[in-house]
Order: sequence, then C-alpha cells, then structure tokens
Amino acid sequence: AQSVSQHNHHVILSEAASLELGCNYSYGGTVNLFWYVQYPGQHLQLLLKYFSGDPLVKGIKGFEAEFIKSKFSFNLRKPSVQWSDTAEYFCAVRRYTGGFKTIFGAGTRLFVKA
Amino acid sequence: DVKVTQSSRYLVKRTGEKVFLECVQDMDHENMFWYRQDPGLGLRLIYFSYDVKMKEKGDIPEGYSVSREKKERFSLILESASTNQTSMYLCASSLQGLNTEAFFGQGTRLTVV
Repeated sequence: AQSVSQHNHHVILSEAASLELGCNYSYGGTVNLFWYVQYPGQHLQLLLKYFSGDPLVKGIKGFEAEFIKSKFSFNLRKPSVQWSDTAEYFCAVRRYTGGFKTIFGAGTRLFVKA
Repeated sequence: DVKVTQSSRYLVKRTGEKVFLECVQDMDHENMFWYRQDPGLGLRLIYFSYDVKMKEKGDIPEGYSVSREKKERFSLILESASTNQTSMYLCASSLQGLNTEAFFGQGTRLTVV
C-alpha cells in the first residue's frame, strides 16, 4: 500500500497560475519530508526539505512547502509558475524502520502552458 | 561536489540473462539504496544497505539481490532478467540517521527483451 500519497497525478496550468501539490503520509513519529523534482531527461533533484523547526520551508526556484503535523501533510506551493517548471514532482518521507528509508509518492506530472 | 555514479545510462538485456547494475558514491555515506521508477508508481525501494555487507529488503525485492562489499559501491543483481523488470533504476546514498537527505545517480534505463 502506498504510504505517501500525492493527490494529483497530472496537473496542467497556464504560466503565472498558482500551484499547490498535495502530499499526505501515513507514518507516526519523527519523519523528514522532501520534495524532489525531475525535469524531462534529467535526474532527480532536491527541491526542498523539512527536518524540524519552522513548518514553512522555502526551496529553490521560488517553491515552498508547509508541514502540517496534525494533518500528516506536506503540500508544495508556488505563487506563479513558469513554463520551465514543467517536470515531475515527488514527495518523499524519510523514517526509521530498522534502517533509515526514504519512501516516495507516485509523483505528480506538471505541465505548464506557455 | 556530491556524486553518485551509475555505471550505465542505458542497457538492453535478454530474458533470462543475469544483469549487474553498479553504483558508486564518493561521499563516504553509510546508506545506499536501489529504487525502480515506473510511470504512475513513483520510486519504489528494492533494497538498501546501511553498512558494508549489510542489506535489507525494501518494498519490492522479488527477483533482485544486492551486494555491498565496499562502502562506496552497491550493486543490484537481476538473477534472471524478465520483461517486467524493464524500468528505470535509480541508486541513492545518504548519511546515517535522520535529518539527512539522499543523493541520486542519473539512473539506468534497463530494457529486457
């Protein structure tokens, strides 16, 4: 069963639209949270991460995410998308289960129309 | 600069062949991971290793084995390749513990015919 859920598999937006990609996880206890991005033909890159402290984290390229512990959520946002944001986005959770594993969501493919 | 290197970008193998995918990291990381990436399924963990000669099954270990004889190298082995193992394989490494991130290789696209 998928323990990291991303709400949308495909999202299509026009440039300058706002973006929010949902991510929920089902683990209790201490976790680290990540968003990775994979641009077409490129390898996975870290967009942002949450370890502790301020639940609103800022990443590269104007992205941010908010950790809401009570909702087990870590949604990704960007106020105004660009065509160059077309990519696949993966939410991931790192936790300890006899070793530190990072579990990924199924991914959300974002297409931004110019 | 952090580096995780996978030996091949593209591989084509025949059904029944034994296949080795190699991964090397230069960051002295304790943890290494193998994932496969399939459309609509995200990245699924096959095996991971938290120390030399130590290995743990991930979520989809069937049909795979791994080897970690040296800290910097983690090999994924397909004992008898099958067409349903056609996929993108990603290697990653990280330090031990929480509050660390994983670094990924560029991936190996394996096609089994």
